[in-house]
Amino acid sequence: DQQVKQNSPSLSVQEGRISILNCDYTNSMFDYFLWYKKYPAEGPTFLISISSIKDKNEDGRFTVFLNKSAKHLSLHIVPSQPGDSAVYFCAASEGGANNLFFGTGTRLTVIP
Amino acid sequence: NAGVTQTPKFRVLKTGQSMTLLCAQDMNHEYMYWYRQDPGMGLRLIHYSVGEGTTAKGEVPDGYNVSRLKKQNFLLGLESAAPSQTSVYFCASRDPSRQANYGYTFGSGTRLTVV
Repeated sequence: DQQVKQNSPSLSVQEGRISILNCDYTNSMFDYFLWYKKYPAEGPTFLISISSIKDKNEDGRFTVFLNKSAKHLSLHIVPSQPGDSAVYFCAASEGGANNLFFGTGTRLTVIP
Repeated sequence: NAGVTQTPKFRVLKTGQSMTLLCAQDMNHEYMYWYRQDPGMGLRLIHYSVGEGTTAKGEVPDGYNVSRLKKQNFLLGLESAAPSQTSVYFCASRDPSRQANYGYTFGSGTRLTVV
């Protein structure tokens, strides 16, 4: 059973606008959350993370929001750029990094 | 700096054949992982290693064996391949001293098809 879910398989956004990617989880014991970005024929690369003791983490154009009561996190990209077009995976862990649970991914397309 | 290198990149196997996927990292990372990615599912952990000579099971270990004889290499073996093992396999390594992002570095993947 998927403990981390990304219900939108794809998202298209105009260049310069905001991209919002969503992720839901079922395990209330998850204490660390990450977003990875994946280009075709490459492995996932780390984008941004957040601890369960925070509700927001920002890094340049990327912001991750965590709503623990709703078991929901989101990734905001502002402004979106064509180079952001990729598959985005959210991941979560409980008590350490030796087993990350990944979502199924959302393919973001930023239209020039 | 090559990072994490996986070989081969593509492979087609017949049911019942065996093969070994090789993962090599040049970052002196202690921890290494094997994940598989299937359509409609997230990456799932097969096995991992927290140091040379150690291995542990992940979420989906059945049908696979692993070995970590050298710190820089982590091998994933399929003794008798089955069509259910058709997947994209990702290796990753990690520096446990890095708290941020857990320090995962992934390889580019091996696409395996079992017919």
